[in-house]
Amino acid sequence: AQSVAQPEDQVNVAEGNPLTVKCTYSVSGNPYLFWYVQYPNRGLQFLLKYITGDNLVKGSYGFEAEFNKSQTSFHLKKPSALVSDSALYFCAPDNTNAGKSTFGDGTTLTVKP
Amino acid sequence: DAGVIQSPRHEVTEMGQEVTLRCKPISGHDYLFWYRQTMMRGLELLIYFNNNVPIDDSGMPEDRFSAKMPNASFSTLKIQPSEPRDSAVYFCASRPQGLSYEQYFGPGTRLTVT
Repeated sequence: AQSVAQPEDQVNVAEGNPLTVKCTYSVSGNPYLFWYVQYPNRGLQFLLKYITGDNLVKGSYGFEAEFNKSQTSFHLKKPSALVSDSALYFCAPDNTNAGKSTFGDGTTLTVKP
Repeated sequence: DAGVIQSPRHEVTEMGQEVTLRCKPISGHDYLFWYRQTMMRGLELLIYFNNNVPIDDSGMPEDRFSAKMPNASFSTLKIQPSEPRDSAVYFCASRPQGLSYEQYFGPGTRLTVT
């Protein structure tokens, strides 16, 4: 069985400060790991993914994520937050046997001016 | 590319009525997913298809829910009869064959059952 945990329901940061949204997972085999973002009243949008190779993955809007195999984590980061980054963020490991992703509960990021 | 298309965008219906939600995936995508999102339960996978064949429907809450994919460019999610607890935003998503690909989500259908 696979599972994903986003331990923080809410993350608050000030604009210009670095942000981290945490994700840990449990997936059999080699994981494919995804982050998605959801803005209010919109569908989810793909942000970035780890498939293989470099543990630091760069994605859209200046976001990046670091794959840590020993800690089974895939934390989302950004060096300098913007107010427009305020949204709901989902971590989603992919079950390489079933073709579907398991979505975390989501973390609401609020960036204050 | 128009992306994943869902209709209607909003649906308000009375308890007991039949509701049909529609989805057109991105052309060439082999996987299609139906999700439900609520404040209480978050994002739930209801069912997904690969090459028009249902692969896993374990997330379908009750027999009142059914989904079909008659061809590669169209899928429906039907609720009959609808109940107030079915009120949610329903998302359709698609992606290509190959496990490294991300999902592309539609804008969702906001369903309100009164």
